[in-house]
Amino acid sequence: SAVISQKPSRDICQRGTSLTIQCQVDSQVTMMFWYRQQPGQSLTLIATANQGSEATYESGFVIDKFPISRPNLTFSTLTVSNMSPEDSSIYLCSVEAWASTEAFFGQGTRLTVV
Amino acid sequence: KNEVEQSPQNLTAQEGEFITINCSYSVGISALHWLQQHPGGGIVSLFMLSSGKKKHGRLIATINIQEKHSSLHITASHPRDSAVYICAVRSTGSARQLTFGSGTQLTVLP
Repeated sequence: SAVISQKPSRDICQRGTSLTIQCQVDSQVTMMFWYRQQPGQSLTLIATANQGSEATYESGFVIDKFPISRPNLTFSTLTVSNMSPEDSSIYLCSVEAWASTEAFFGQGTRLTVV
Repeated sequence: KNEVEQSPQNLTAQEGEFITINCSYSVGISALHWLQQHPGGGIVSLFMLSSGKKKHGRLIATINIQEKHSSLHITASHPRDSAVYICAVRSTGSARQLTFGSGTQLTVLP
């Protein structure tokens, strides 16, 4: 299994600012994903965080708005840049462990942009 | 049509009732997950299925690969079971990410 620490758990931010969300895993993992859940909606994949290279973004998400880092096999960050109220969502980190298709999730970051 | 459809969207039950949540999907899958999301947003993985049936405490999950259908059952429901239950599938092929259903909001009344 993998235990994920995602921080912060919630934040209220001013429009135009940026917030960086951290995802720390207690073991080395192969895949790390960042998801967004807008109010009343299902989870949508933002990007796959690749260790040592640029993240792979899904359609509708761009690096300038959601820069992602993954410096090693246990840590990743997602930044929500130049925020607007439309960015108010829950952001979730998810990982898969080595030699497993089991998925593990962070506690989520509830972001409110005012 | 969404790749993953859940029903019902909302469910209210009395404590002790037997609960069933359904999930249908339209793609070939390598695995199906049942997840539980609490109001704070955090998600807990309940089951991962590729065939058959799994049981953990009062929770039972079944999957029928031929019919592309899965069910999550809760026996002797309790107010602490109140949460959003989400079905997610991993499609066959090179992509490893999950595709999520829209969730079922379950409220169990004392």
